[in-house]
Amino acid sequence: AQSVAQPEDQVNVAEGNPLTVKCTYSVSGNPYLFWYVQYPNRGLQFLLKYITGDNLVKGSYGFEAEFNKSQTSFHLKKPSALVSDSALYFCAVRDGGSGYALNFGKGTSLLVTP
Amino acid sequence: NAGVMQNPRHLVRRRGQEARLRCSPMKGHSHVYWYRQLPEEGLKFMVYLQKENIIDESGMPKERFSAEFPKEGPSILRIQQVVRGDSAAYFCASSPGHSGEKLFFGSGTQLSVL
Repeated sequence: AQSVAQPEDQVNVAEGNPLTVKCTYSVSGNPYLFWYVQYPNRGLQFLLKYITGDNLVKGSYGFEAEFNKSQTSFHLKKPSALVSDSALYFCAVRDGGSGYALNFGKGTSLLVTP
Repeated sequence: NAGVMQNPRHLVRRRGQEARLRCSPMKGHSHVYWYRQLPEEGLKFMVYLQKENIIDESGMPKERFSAEFPKEGPSILRIQQVVRGDSAAYFCASSPGHSGEKLFFGSGTQLSVL
């Protein structure tokens, strides 16, 4: 079985400060890890993914994520937050060895204040 | 190149009626996924289809729900005899392949059951 945990329902950060949105995963095979963002009344948009290679993955809009195998984590980060980054962020995992579905976490609401 | 198109955006049904949700994948994509989003629960995988085939329906309720992706035309998620608990946002996503590919999401159909 595969699963994702996003331990924080909401993250608040001031504009210009660094942000981190946490994600841990559980998968029996090799993890394929993804971050998506959802703006109000919209579908999810892809931010970045980790399949293999460098543990630090860079994605859209200045976001990056670090794959940590020993801690089974894939935290999303950005060095300097923007008010426009305020949205709902979802971490997702798929077992690279089997299975088809991306399993999503419950989401973390990010609020960036001016 | 149009994105994933879902219609209708909003669908209102009375208990016992049928709901039909449509999804046209991105051009060139032959893989379609349906997800359901309930408040406080995140996205839940329902079904994964390729043209004319259901590949993984492990997330589909055993009764009243069905999905198809015919050779021609959009993918359809059908809910018979809807109940209030079916009220949710239903998202369709597509990808050109399966392994490691990111998903492209539509804007969703918000189903409200009165």
